[in-house]
Amino acid sequence: GAVVSQHPSRVICKSGTSVKIECRSLDFQATTMFWYRQFPKQSLMLMATSNEGSKATYEQGVEKDKFLINHASLTLSTLTVTSAHPEDSSFYICSARVGAGGPTDTQYFGPGTRLTVL
Amino acid sequence: AQKITQTQPGMFVQEKEAVTLDCTYDTSDPSYGLFWYKQPSSGEMIFLIYQGSYDQQNATEGRYSLNFQKARKSANLVISASQLGDSAMYFCAMSPTSGSARQLTFGSGTQLTVLP
Repeated sequence: GAVVSQHPSRVICKSGTSVKIECRSLDFQATTMFWYRQFPKQSLMLMATSNEGSKATYEQGVEKDKFLINHASLTLSTLTVTSAHPEDSSFYICSARVGAGGPTDTQYFGPGTRLTVL
Repeated sequence: AQKITQTQPGMFVQEKEAVTLDCTYDTSDPSYGLFWYKQPSSGEMIFLIYQGSYDQQNATEGRYSLNFQKARKSANLVISASQLGDSAMYFCAMSPTSGSARQLTFGSGTQLTVLP
């Protein structure tokens, strides 16, 4: 159980294009989903917290107009990197949580998406 | 605010031996959860073990155990009988158990290499 999928796993795009990344909880309903960014040899940096049916909460320094998050259902959240530039190249990972407290607060992560912007 | 400190950037262990990965934390929250994740070179974050701050016993999951010392604010991960497949980056993390967001705060990670 507790499987989270992420698609695509790898994407290469030209500068100025938009890229959409999907995150799905396959066998549970996630009240909350999170989006992280990770640079090589570094820890995960939280970008935003997303609850189904409401607007995402972005961390300080993260541009909400550049990183659009939509949480359409209890099993699907999407991250769209708009007008991508080479500095947006990174590893993006989503996670999903049931969120009823205690061990159910465990976040289960997707396999990640490696974005390369040329 | 919460802070996680992992002071070992890299660790080596011989196959079949046990290894301890250090984690200390700081928080003002009265109740919190502590987590360990494994990240192999493929990039996926794999949940290993959870410890609640009010749990009386140390958590165990197969070959993984969490040495929780609340007074010292430490939550070290012990891997017994190391295997080659245990080579990966390991992250310690914590989150409060109250509040709506309950976001994870991660440490900087420890790169574990298991030697044959």
